[in-house]
Amino acid sequence: DGGITQSPKYLFRKEGQNVTLSCEQNLNHDAMYWYRQDPGQGLRLIYYSQIVNDFQKGDIAEGYSVSREKKESFPLTVTSAQKNPTAFYLCASSISPDRATGELFFGEGSRLTVL
Amino acid sequence: QQPVQSPQAVILREGEDAVINCSSSKALYSVHWYRQKHGEAPVFLMILLKGGEQKGHDKISASFNEKKQQSSLYLTASQLSYSGTYFCGTDDAGNNRKLIWGLGTSLAVNP
Repeated sequence: DGGITQSPKYLFRKEGQNVTLSCEQNLNHDAMYWYRQDPGQGLRLIYYSQIVNDFQKGDIAEGYSVSREKKESFPLTVTSAQKNPTAFYLCASSISPDRATGELFFGEGSRLTVL
Repeated sequence: QQPVQSPQAVILREGEDAVINCSSSKALYSVHWYRQKHGEAPVFLMILLKGGEQKGHDKISASFNEKKQQSSLYLTASQLSYSGTYFCGTDDAGNNRKLIWGLGTSLAVNP
């Protein structure tokens, strides 16, 4: 079955450490996104990519980095510069780079806790 | 410019109806609706486009009032499976056409 796979599902990190969250999709979608979700808040866009080897910052990109070397993969690195990284991270993809019309397919999420 | 969802929470008995609203201060090009169960991924419900067709999902329908910059989600004859948090995402066709998400409406359907 086609879908989006995020790993790990749970991750614990010590302060000062970088961690990378994996996101893989086999839907052949061009566009991929990373969102952060905090309790009581809506989804906030971290980074998005509309095509391989290209990506743009979202609303809260500081302290995060991404790469898009392959169409199916869009890993997110949470760096030590991110002041409050504990959150639920969601990866999504869309067949359409135009987010106004494209349905988003979400992964199951990765819950990061900084100790 | 985050859209405002109302109510924040609603509790229903199985079979009852509910309406969830999503209002924006900006003119909208599209409104997206998703449902998320606790600890799971959001699931697409529908997209409403300005001046375009409505896409539906089972017993869940929605309206899009462009003049009022508002969308409403209608849940008819609610089922236990409808429980979750409903999010609207709005696109004002501004720079980058990015979605701005509301804070969500928590819906609990009890037997």
